[in-house]
Amino acid sequence: NAGVTQTPKFRVLKTGQSMTLLCAQDMNHEYMYWYRQDPGMGLRLIHYSVGEGTTAKGEVPDGYNVSRLKKQNFLLGLESAAPSQTSVYFCASSYSVVWSSYEQYFGPGTRLTVT
Amino acid sequence: KNEVEQSPQNLTAQEGEFITINCSYSVGISALHWLQQHPGGGIVSLFMLSSGKKKHGRLIATINIQEKHSSLHITASHPRDSAVYICAVRGHLEYGNKLVFGAGTILRVKS
Repeated sequence: NAGVTQTPKFRVLKTGQSMTLLCAQDMNHEYMYWYRQDPGMGLRLIHYSVGEGTTAKGEVPDGYNVSRLKKQNFLLGLESAAPSQTSVYFCASSYSVVWSSYEQYFGPGTRLTVT
Repeated sequence: KNEVEQSPQNLTAQEGEFITINCSYSVGISALHWLQQHPGGGIVSLFMLSSGKKKHGRLIATINIQEKHSSLHITASHPRDSAVYICAVRGHLEYGNKLVFGAGTILRVKS
C-alpha cells in the first residue's frame, strides 16, 4: 500500500514551459486535492476533486488546470509556467462521506522552480 | 487577517522541555487537524479533533470550541520532534471537506 505518491519530486522549468504533475493514491479515496506551499504561508488549495470526472477550483486556481479521469489519479497542469508558480506542491486524498474518517493523506511533495 | 493563526512562529527548546503550540481560528468549524511536516517535506496527520482532548504518546491536543482555540503539547521533547507543526481547520457546510491551514510553527529541539 503506497498511499499517496507524486511524480516528479523535483523539476526546474523555464518561464512559458508547460508540465504536468501526477498524483496517485491506492486507498480508493473519493476526494483528492492539490495544494501549494510557500514560505511563511499555510498550504493553499489550488483545485480539488470530489470524484472521478469532477474537479473544482480552490483558493488559488489561476494558472493551473486539473483532470481526474481515473479515481486513483489527479493531474495538475501548468500550461505556461511563471516564476510566481515556484513552490512546493502537495497532493492529498481523503474519504468523503463519513466525516470521522476524514483524515487527509499527503503525498511527499514536488519542488518546482520556474526560472 | 488569516482565518487560522498559529503561535509562536518559531520555537527553540531544550531536550526534555514541555512544549506548547497554539492555534486560533475565526470561523465556525466541524473539525481541527494538527499535522507534522518533517525537514524532508512529508506531511503526516497527528490529530483530528472536534472537542475535548486527544493523546498519542507524548503528544496531546486540546480544543476549546467556544474560545476557537486549540493547543498542541509535546511532553519530554526530543530532537526528533523537530519539525513544522501545522494547524488546519475544516469549516461547516459550504467549506465541504476543504481545510484552511495555518502558516505553521517551526520547532527545533536541541540536545
